[in-house]
Amino acid sequence: AQSVAQPEDQVNVAEGNPLTVKCTYSVSGNPYLFWYVQYPNRGLQFLLKYITGDNLVKGSYGFEAEFNKSQTSFHLKKPSALVSDSALYFCAVRVLSTNYGGSQGNLIFGKGTKLSVKP
Amino acid sequence: DSGVTQTPKHLITATGQRVTLRCSPRSGDLSVYWYQQSLDQGLQFLIQYYNGEERAKGNILERFSAQQFPDLHSELNLSSLELGDSALYFCASGGQGNYGYTFGSGTRLTVV
Repeated sequence: AQSVAQPEDQVNVAEGNPLTVKCTYSVSGNPYLFWYVQYPNRGLQFLLKYITGDNLVKGSYGFEAEFNKSQTSFHLKKPSALVSDSALYFCAVRVLSTNYGGSQGNLIFGKGTKLSVKP
Repeated sequence: DSGVTQTPKHLITATGQRVTLRCSPRSGDLSVYWYQQSLDQGLQFLIQYYNGEERAKGNILERFSAQQFPDLHSELNLSSLELGDSALYFCASGGQGNYGYTFGSGTRLTVV
């Protein structure tokens, strides 16, 4: 079965320190991986995605993620955390439809990791 | 503004009632996806439509149904509502090829 795991319910970081939010996945075939962020009472905002190519993906707001095929991981990172980064972060993988040429699919999400950045 | 519009933003209704949630996808997107976000279940995929046709089904209850209209907007119908249906319902569009998915701001449903 295809799945996404975010092993940490919460990550606490001091402002200015680097942060990592972990994600591992299990899919058949090549993974299409995504990170989204959700601020309180807001929708999901796209941060970055990995489709193919360079294993280090750069995204919005200074975030980046490293794709590691051998470890089936796609960890989200930022060199220097801001208090405003405090939010709920979701990792997701696209599950392709076996029909329709395999070009469509829905997202399966991890349970989310709450990031708290303290001043 | 993400380009995906969901209405209403908030909905409060009683158990046993029926509600309709509406979603307009981003311009040019043919696919619409519905998700339910609850505290205990996280983000669950409900159903996908592509250009008016149902394409994929997830953990959608039989009391729930959806459709996509010729103008590509979609409606999610929730009937015989229970307290446990209280959740944030998201709509997303996109997902074709190498494109990402754009989410609306959601409809918060409270069943009392």
